[in-house]
Amino acid sequence: DGGITQSPKYLFRKEGQNVTLSCEQNLNHDAMYWYRQDPGQGLRLIYYSQIVNDFQKGDIAEGYSVSREKKESFPLTVTSAQKNPTAFYLCASTPLAGVGNEQFFGPGTRLTVL
Amino acid sequence: QQQVKQSPQSLIVQKGGISIINCAYENTAFDYFPWYQQFPGKGPALLIAIRPDVSEKKEGRFTISFNKSAKQFSLHIMDSQPGDSATYFCAASKEGETSGSRLTFGEGTQLTVNP
Repeated sequence: DGGITQSPKYLFRKEGQNVTLSCEQNLNHDAMYWYRQDPGQGLRLIYYSQIVNDFQKGDIAEGYSVSREKKESFPLTVTSAQKNPTAFYLCASTPLAGVGNEQFFGPGTRLTVL
Repeated sequence: QQQVKQSPQSLIVQKGGISIINCAYENTAFDYFPWYQQFPGKGPALLIAIRPDVSEKKEGRFTISFNKSAKQFSLHIMDSQPGDSATYFCAASKEGETSGSRLTFGEGTQLTVNP
């Protein structure tokens, strides 16, 4: 059963704590992405990675960090420096080759800061 | 800078009616324009996409109309059904750029189809 998995589905964090969101894909896709979704603001790109051990900042990278040690995994850490971390976080992946640029999304993680 | 602007923010349509969502973009280098559908608590899924070499693409009840000179594209949902109730996002990207398939999304439209 191929696809993208994100865990956990719901996550609660106290202010000042770092938290890591998991994203795994078994689609053999090269590129992976992290988006943040807030009501009325669409999807905003946090970080993306095209190959293992390489990643680039998106539009709202401040307060976040990522790693890409394996092709199938792209975890996102929300650090205490992120001022307003409560949001719905979406991971996506896509093959770099081929036509269409379709991004496949995971089910998301809803993070709430208490 | 918002490069893709989407309207309306919300839309209510009666069953059987036509739903129309519009998007405008600024970057003339964009060459791929997808629409994503998202149900509550789920990740978005690709609905339909178009490239600028055609002015219209139809898949079942869903049609994209594309106006390159106006830098606008729209999604039309014919015979709208309650099951179409979801949030719809337009997006745009430049194929072949070094960032891979980096998509710029619109703000989203929450569609409600009343029975």
